[in-house]
Amino acid sequence: DAKTTQPPSMDCAEGRAANLPCNHSTISGNEYVYWYRQIHSQGPQYIIHGLKNNETNEMASLIITEDRKSSTLILPHATLRDTAVYYCIAITGTASKLTFGTGTRLQVTL
Amino acid sequence: EPEVTQTPSHQVTQMGQEVILRCVPISNHLYFYWYRQILGQKVEFLVSFYNNEISEKSEIFDDQFSVERPDGSNFTLKIRSTKLEDSAMYFCASSPLLATNEKLFFGSGTQLSVL
Repeated sequence: DAKTTQPPSMDCAEGRAANLPCNHSTISGNEYVYWYRQIHSQGPQYIIHGLKNNETNEMASLIITEDRKSSTLILPHATLRDTAVYYCIAITGTASKLTFGTGTRLQVTL
Repeated sequence: EPEVTQTPSHQVTQMGQEVILRCVPISNHLYFYWYRQILGQKVEFLVSFYNNEISEKSEIFDDQFSVERPDGSNFTLKIRSTKLEDSAMYFCASSPLLATNEKLFFGSGTQLSVL
């Protein structure tokens, strides 16, 4: 699985968009980009995933650069409940496990 | 939305004792996993389980650990002789398919404290 690099922490004002970057410059063609988050000490929660195209669901949008070397998770209107550690994970098509890094700790403030 | 259920939420045990952590995966899921997170550290993969067999295990998952699906609904993690360093939050997860192209659903965890 490709190594991913994320900033250790970010702040965002409530109601504003939170843009969380992830670098995966060594990603291979068959590796997907997944985003999970962990609120306090709860179990990780799936957010979104993609291969090449940008994706959007009810939680977030995922923007993947054309060369696939980086991506951005966008929470369009961050709330206090979005305060969490966000993990970007690159994973192959036949993998049976997720490898979590240290992630980005997002603090949403009033 | 369906949930993965873990019991107990907290477990305190003496070093050397056996513990069994229990999980009820989502009913139509086929793949099951255990992860753990030592306080302040990363979430670590322990084991994946499919078709009543271990699919993959990490170096952490040594002979002291075992998993079982004793019936159609439960998935358990047994630690035979607990050590102080086994103290951690243990997360169970399930998915209908392999990790790719499908999301993993995680339970809320069991906090294991070994004294």
